[in-house]
Amino acid sequence: GAGVSQSPSNKVTEKGKDVELRCDPISGHTALYWYRQSLGQGLEFLIYFQGNSAPDKSGLPSDRFSAERTGGSVSTLTIQRTQQEDSAVYLCASSLGSGGRRSDTQYFGPGTRLTVL
Amino acid sequence: GQQVMQIPQYQHVQEGEDFTTYCNSSTTLSNIQWYKQRPGGHPVFLIQLVKSGEVKKQKRLTFQFGEAKKNSSLHITATQTTDVGTYFCAAPGGTYKYIFGTGTRLKVLA
Repeated sequence: GAGVSQSPSNKVTEKGKDVELRCDPISGHTALYWYRQSLGQGLEFLIYFQGNSAPDKSGLPSDRFSAERTGGSVSTLTIQRTQQEDSAVYLCASSLGSGGRRSDTQYFGPGTRLTVL
Repeated sequence: GQQVMQIPQYQHVQEGEDFTTYCNSSTTLSNIQWYKQRPGGHPVFLIQLVKSGEVKKQKRLTFQFGEAKKNSSLHITATQTTDVGTYFCAAPGGTYKYIFGTGTRLKVLA
């Protein structure tokens, strides 16, 4: 079946502009995660959604970052007034999230490479 | 807060040599996961360990979970160029939330 998809694959924007990044998780996966990965660095947790529960926003670096998940499926990560330090690859992942040993395996999308000029 | 550290940060080996990366947590873990990210790619799940002292093998890869469930290791026997990439461990940081380690970048010299 289809994996996690993300769009756009690349985004170049000017400092101060807003951007929206989209994630389409694997069908049936109730958990969805956003991470940020700067060049050559590890994965920085941003936010995660689990079913209808309130999202865990503890990783969002500032109030310029927000995310929503509509209908328990597609998610959009929005960055307002982008700054150069926001340049990174933004990765989305989904998992079954239904409990059990294998349910929290995360399947990652290809990422969106954001460049802020 | 919870921290997950990996060592080494980088490792260059000659093809055919062995490689080991270590993952250490500041807290006791219920389980630990390992992922591999090829250059230019995205992380791909390798394995999950749950039991204290658990050892699992996948071909040339051996994964171990410490007795105290605070550390884990990934050992690759006789590395090949296809093993190149960054290896991350990931530890639970809440229900379904995982904290990723800092990663070990492996380079294999042919």
